Amino acid sequence: QVQLVESGGGLVKPGGSLRLSCAASGFTFSDYYMSWIRQAPGKGLEWISFISSSGRNTFYADSVKGRFTISRDNAMNSVFLQMNSLGADDTALYYCAREKEAKGEDYFDHWGQGTRVTVSS
Amino acid sequence: SYELTQPPSVSVSPGQTARITCSGDALPKKYAFWYQQKSGQAPVVVISEDSKRPSGIPERFSGSTSGTVATLTITGAQVEDEADYYCLSTDSSGRHRVFGGGTKLTVL
Repeated sequence: QVQLVESGGGLVKPGGSLRLSCAASGFTFSDYYMSWIRQAPGKGLEWISFISSSGRNTFYADSVKGRFTISRDNAMNSVFLQMNSLGADDTALYYCAREKEAKGEDYFDHWGQGTRVTVSS
Repeated sequence: SYELTQPPSVSVSPGQTARITCSGDALPKKYAFWYQQKSGQAPVVVISEDSKRPSGIPERFSGSTSGTVATLTITGAQVEDEADYYCLSTDSSGRHRVFGGGTKLTVL
């Protein structure tokens, strides 16, 4: 069955960096777009980035553009999120999700359980 | 940036019909997808492509879209349906995925 397991979260000081990882299994990883989505404590879901199946195309929400970088290693069945210049607003549970295409539009059909990032001095 | 607007909360009694709306300018041309998120859990898709119910989702869940408004309907809501519900769509460019702000459904 499809499994997505995030890791790499933790406590980081403002201005610091963190690299999240998501290990995928149970499907042909290189066939799928992947996304990162976050949820601040007590708040809603926020899509932040996706990467195409080959890794050639990436897109970001305005809130993280220029600070976060998504990448993938299809040989390792993993997707990553490099987060730089972190601020308190980046404190959240970060989910990795698989994208499924539905008639030319994508949605998230499988999610991990998330990894928590706390930005605090 | 593109926004999807949902009511913050909806409340019904068990057995009643709950309707949760999602408003967005691109919805006439883009699909709406609906997610259920129970406390402490990852979201689960309950409706895809405006109105399709994935395998394993109870028949009481249905979806529709009219113009710029997508609606999730739970016919005969159960206590176990209490959760936060989010709509998802994309902006007109197709590059940015966007969630609505979420609606807390209370069934009591």
